[in-house]
Amino acid sequence: IAGITQAPTSQILAAGRRMTLRCTQDMRHNAMYWYRQDLGLGLRLIHYSNTAGTTGKGEVPDGYSVSRANTDDFPLTLASAVPSQTSVYFCASSDLGVDTGELFFGEGSRLTVL
Amino acid sequence: GQNIDQPTEMTATEGAIVQINCTYQTSGFNGLFWYQQHAGEAPTFLSYNVLDGLEEKGRFSSFLSRSKGYSYLLLKELQMKDSASYLCAVRDRDYKLSFGAGTTVTVRA
Repeated sequence: IAGITQAPTSQILAAGRRMTLRCTQDMRHNAMYWYRQDLGLGLRLIHYSNTAGTTGKGEVPDGYSVSRANTDDFPLTLASAVPSQTSVYFCASSDLGVDTGELFFGEGSRLTVL
Repeated sequence: GQNIDQPTEMTATEGAIVQINCTYQTSGFNGLFWYQQHAGEAPTFLSYNVLDGLEEKGRFSSFLSRSKGYSYLLLKELQMKDSASYLCAVRDRDYKLSFGAGTTVTVRA
């Protein structure tokens, strides 16, 4: 089934550890995004990529890095996790070449930093 | 950047109509989206407006006024399964999508 796959689904992590959240899409979408969702704050954009080889910063990029080596994969790395990074992380993709270019979301990765 | 406001919660009765308002301020408007998100699930696309006016899609309609920075999502003939959070989102010219905090709609029997 075509779509976006995120891994892991859930993770508990000690503060100071490095963590990479994986995201893969098989829809050949050119754009990909990482959001975090916290209660009362909604979805906030961390980083995005409009095409393979390019990335950009969103609203809350500090403490996170991304890479876009190819069309399908867009991993998000926390270099040294802190408790404030406890959140649900959603990866999304879109085809910017179509009229609406709506985002398609993965199922989310729930991260707890202790 | 974007500044997007929508009510936190709304309650309505099964079979009724509910209108969720969204106001926004943006430095470069390039489309407005509505998403539905059930608890514990990913958001799913509902509607898209880029020109002023009403877009109708079955029981759901969305309206946009660019000059007023205003949109609404209209849900008709409410069903219990419509209980969810509804997210208003604005896209800028760099194709970044910014979301409001969401409106939780509770449908009561």
